[in-house]
Amino acid sequence: SQQGEEDPQALSIQEGENATMNCSYKTSINNLQWYRQNSGRGLVHLILIRSNEREKHSGRLRVTLDTSKKSSSLLITASRAADTASYFCATAWNDMRFGAGTRLTVKP
Amino acid sequence: ETGVTQSPTHLIKTRGQQVTLRCSSQSGHNTVSWYQQALGQGPQFIFQYYREEENGRGNFPPRFSGLQFPNYSSELNVNALELDDSALYLCASSLRTGAYEQYFGPGTRLTVT
Repeated sequence: SQQGEEDPQALSIQEGENATMNCSYKTSINNLQWYRQNSGRGLVHLILIRSNEREKHSGRLRVTLDTSKKSSSLLITASRAADTASYFCATAWNDMRFGAGTRLTVKP
Repeated sequence: ETGVTQSPTHLIKTRGQQVTLRCSSQSGHNTVSWYQQALGQGPQFIFQYYREEENGRGNFPPRFSGLQFPNYSSELNVNALELDDSALYLCASSLRTGAYEQYFGPGTRLTVT
């Protein structure tokens, strides 16, 4: 069964704008990870945030984690057309459980 | 460094048949996980193998089975195929067991008719 739930399901923005995606989950975690998937291909790991961390940055990506609310957010700043993809959060305990994803479209 | 590879890329099978999908892990990775991704959904965890032993399983029936070999390549076998088994099957390798950063292959698209 899937664990995380991403919100929104779909997001369409203009190039240069910021994109924010949210993930809610239900059980305890060791860490939470975000992945990107282009057009039904393999997933690419973006960032991992541990359960004792609150915020993490990687390039144009910023991830926050609130374990008390069981939620995380992924912010992509200054988006580009190449960021168009599906984004998944995955909650990690003994294994990883993925949500249904947010489909991001960045228009040139 | 070679990434994760999967074969075949696409496969069409008939209901009731059996299928074997193959995965070659990234160099140095001793853990492999398999996922099923239906259209428009996120990947669902099938099972994980560590050093040739199953190390965790998701909510999939026994007709989904796997193998990991000494060179850390692996197979996913599905018996008695059903129409709902049509999906993208992804394998992912990692340096450690459990839930750490995973490196995904491009997937095998299985269609059951």
